[in-house]
Amino acid sequence: SQTIHQWPATLVQPVGSPLSLECTVEGTSNPNLYWYRQAAGRGLQLLFYSVGIGQISSEVPQNLSASRPQDRQFILSSKKLLLSDSGFYLCAWSGTGRVNTEAFFGQGTRLTVV
Amino acid sequence: AQKITQTQPGMFVQEKEAVTLDCTYDTSDQSYGLFWYKQPSSGEMIFLIYQGSYDEQNATEGRYSLNFQKARKSANLVISASQLGDSAMYFCAMREAYSGAGSYQLTFGKGTKLSVIP
Repeated sequence: SQTIHQWPATLVQPVGSPLSLECTVEGTSNPNLYWYRQAAGRGLQLLFYSVGIGQISSEVPQNLSASRPQDRQFILSSKKLLLSDSGFYLCAWSGTGRVNTEAFFGQGTRLTVV
Repeated sequence: AQKITQTQPGMFVQEKEAVTLDCTYDTSDQSYGLFWYKQPSSGEMIFLIYQGSYDEQNATEGRYSLNFQKARKSANLVISASQLGDSAMYFCAMREAYSGAGSYQLTFGKGTKLSVIP
């Protein structure tokens, strides 16, 4: 069966510090991978998606970047965090080529920038 | 324009009663999928139910059913016999067949917070 791991679960970082959140998927190959952010009490905003190794598309211009160094690994990074980067970050994967496939989410990372 | 609209920021329902959570969507695609997710306070996103644009029957999964009205572009979630554990945020989402260079990403609404009252 497929599983998705995301870490860390919580993170408190000072303004200006770097960020690296990691997500890995097991039990499937060539998944579509996604990073979403959820501000407190709000919906999910798609940040990045990837349809293959090294292929990253950004939905929202911002202080963050993403990379996919391996087929089932997706990393969210920042060189210098801003206060506005605080939020709940969710990694997700889905199968490819079908409109009817649901996305499966990781447990999320609650990031607080202080 | 928003692709997914959930007009109810919060809803209350008595335990054991049924509740309907509203969702309207906007797309010009003929092929698309509609999803509902539940997010408890722990933050995880739990898939509940799916409805395809070509499905003629309304989807059902246990106590969850989807009232799909294609002409009105609405996909309301109905939860029957509410339980205390149903208290959570509920998100409607859509996947379009021709979005984002084959990425098939989900677009989410802002959610509805459901509170079940004992």
